[in-house]
Amino acid sequence: EPEVTQTPSHQVTQMGQEVILRCVPISNHLYFYWYRQILGQKVEFLVSFYNNEISEKSEIFDDQFSVERPDGSNFTLKIRSTKLEDSAMYFCASSEAYGEQNTGELFFGEGSRLTVL
Amino acid sequence: DQQVKQNSPSLSVQEGRISILNCDYTNSMFDYFLWYKKYPAEGPTFLISISSIKDKNEDGRFTVFLNKSAKHLSLHIVPSQPGDSAVYFCAASHRDDKIIFGKGTRLHILP
Repeated sequence: EPEVTQTPSHQVTQMGQEVILRCVPISNHLYFYWYRQILGQKVEFLVSFYNNEISEKSEIFDDQFSVERPDGSNFTLKIRSTKLEDSAMYFCASSEAYGEQNTGELFFGEGSRLTVL
Repeated sequence: DQQVKQNSPSLSVQEGRISILNCDYTNSMFDYFLWYKKYPAEGPTFLISISSIKDKNEDGRFTVFLNKSAKHLSLHIVPSQPGDSAVYFCAASHRDDKIIFGKGTRLHILP
């Protein structure tokens, strides 16, 4: 069964460092997402991406964050100058369609745990 | 601003009995509702969904009920099995908008 893969599974970084989280979405999917879950809190939407550009982003997704699809398979989340409060589990997801066509079924990766010290 | 609320952080149910997970929402524009299940160290997986034009959707042991007037939905699992122990996220969306998740309810199935 096709799946979304994420690397690394766990990253520890010093405050102020840059982090890149990588995702390989399911190959025929067109819409890509990043969500995060701070320990003990809800899963929060960060950004959605389609046709090589951001289609929607939340208030959390400020200038510190960026996303990129550098090639035909990878989808990356870059966090510049990490802060302690960026420590969370970051989930990548992909879907075949969006909006009215969307069955709502997002396929999630297993997550990348980011720990900022 | 919690548009999707799961007020029970955890729930314990005897194996074989019915598990009922509840969810409330505040945005009357939501027209699609979903339940996701999450095991530790894994990403959420889609479980079942319901459109706002329906009030019930059933898939095997899982049934989702939607009460639009009360802005409430629930997930019933019957009979509950040990493998059902997980965190369950209620989620909602409106057309082209993003999916909004609740905080989740941890379900423990007791032997």
